Amino acid sequence: AQSVTQLGSHVSVSEGALVLLRCNYSSSVPPYLFWYVQYPNQGLQLLLKYTSAATLVKGINGFEAEFKKSETSFHLTKPSAHMSDAAEYFCAVSGSSARQLTFGSGTQLTVLP
Amino acid sequence: DAGVIQSPRHEVTEMGQEVTLRCKPISGHNSLFWYRQTMMRGLELLIYFNNNVPIDDSGMPEDRFSAKMPNASFSTLKIQPSEPRDSAVYFCASAPASGMYNEQFFGPGTRLTVL
Repeated sequence: AQSVTQLGSHVSVSEGALVLLRCNYSSSVPPYLFWYVQYPNQGLQLLLKYTSAATLVKGINGFEAEFKKSETSFHLTKPSAHMSDAAEYFCAVSGSSARQLTFGSGTQLTVLP
Repeated sequence: DAGVIQSPRHEVTEMGQEVTLRCKPISGHNSLFWYRQTMMRGLELLIYFNNNVPIDDSGMPEDRFSAKMPNASFSTLKIQPSEPRDSAVYFCASAPASGMYNEQFFGPGTRLTVL
């Protein structure tokens, strides 16, 4: 079984500041990990995914995430926030034998001018 | 390439009415998922199909909800009768047969309001 915990349902950063969104997972099998972004009134869009090929994963829009097995974490970062990054971000986990994704509760990112 | 298509985008109905939500997955994808999103419960998996066969419907709230996938290019989620607590955004997602990592592609959602 898999589960995901996203720490902080709301995060606010100033434009140009570092973005850090936290995700911790639990999985009984080697996990596949994902970050999705949801803009207002839209569906979820894949930002990046970890598939065991590399621990540091780069995604779209300047985001990246680092898989840390010892910490069971997959935190999402971006060096410099942009106003257009304001959205809700979801971390998700899947096991190799299951097609389902288990999603976290989401983190709403606000970018302040 | 067309993404996942959902219709209608918005639906407003009265309690007790039947509601049918529709989804067209991405061509070539063999897995299809229905989710419900609410402020209180977040994103919930309702049911998923693999090769048009329902695999896991443990997330379907109750017998008022039913889902079908008559062919590889179409699925419906039906609520009969609808209740105000069914108000939510319903998402359909699909995944490719060749996808090794279970990545899902989401549609834009249907916002359902039951009065």
